[in-house]
Amino acid sequence: KQEVTQIPAALSVPEGENLVLNCSFTDSAIYNLQWFRQDPGKGLTSLLLIQSSQREQTSGRLNASLDKSSGRSTLYIAASQPGDSATYLCAVEQGGSNYKLTFGKGTLLTVNP
Amino acid sequence: DVKVTQSSRYLVKRTGEKVFLECVQDMDHENMFWYRQDPGLGLRLIYFSYDVKMKEKGDIPEGYSVSREKKERFSLILESASTNQTSMYLCASWDRYNEQFFGPGTRLTVL
Repeated sequence: KQEVTQIPAALSVPEGENLVLNCSFTDSAIYNLQWFRQDPGKGLTSLLLIQSSQREQTSGRLNASLDKSSGRSTLYIAASQPGDSATYLCAVEQGGSNYKLTFGKGTLLTVNP
Repeated sequence: DVKVTQSSRYLVKRTGEKVFLECVQDMDHENMFWYRQDPGLGLRLIYFSYDVKMKEKGDIPEGYSVSREKKERFSLILESASTNQTSMYLCASWDRYNEQFFGPGTRLTVL
């Protein structure tokens, strides 16, 4: 059974710092990996989707990488801002799972002014 | 602007009541999902549907059922609500090759 782990569970950084969030998964036979952002009491917003054939995706200050063989993904946030404060979740679609996603429990990011 | 909408943001029900949570998407996606999210447990898949009238159990289907009569609408039904179903319920739709879209969530409290 696929398991997704996110480390650290919480992270606090000063504004302007570059940071990396980590995601690991136990079964490398995935179709894709997604990173989401969730603000308190709200739904999830998709940030980046990496297909299994891709190594990375970029959107603005965000860059996500995928290393399928080692079962790892990282989300890099450049020049962090207080507005980046949120919970970040990664999720993988398992091969043969018929569209089901397995989520990590998230990293709570706080960017201090 | 694409959207997934959920019928209620907050809902309070009593034990034993039948509860309907509605989800509507306007993206013509075939796949729709219901999750619940609880502190310390993360998101868990309850049911999903990959076509009209098609449904498949997720990881925690017990105590729930679903209905998908039209492509844009996916309903979650709690036949007899219990206190352990107090949770945040999130609906999503997705075509796999693009980002997955989530609704704003329904926070359900069962007294």
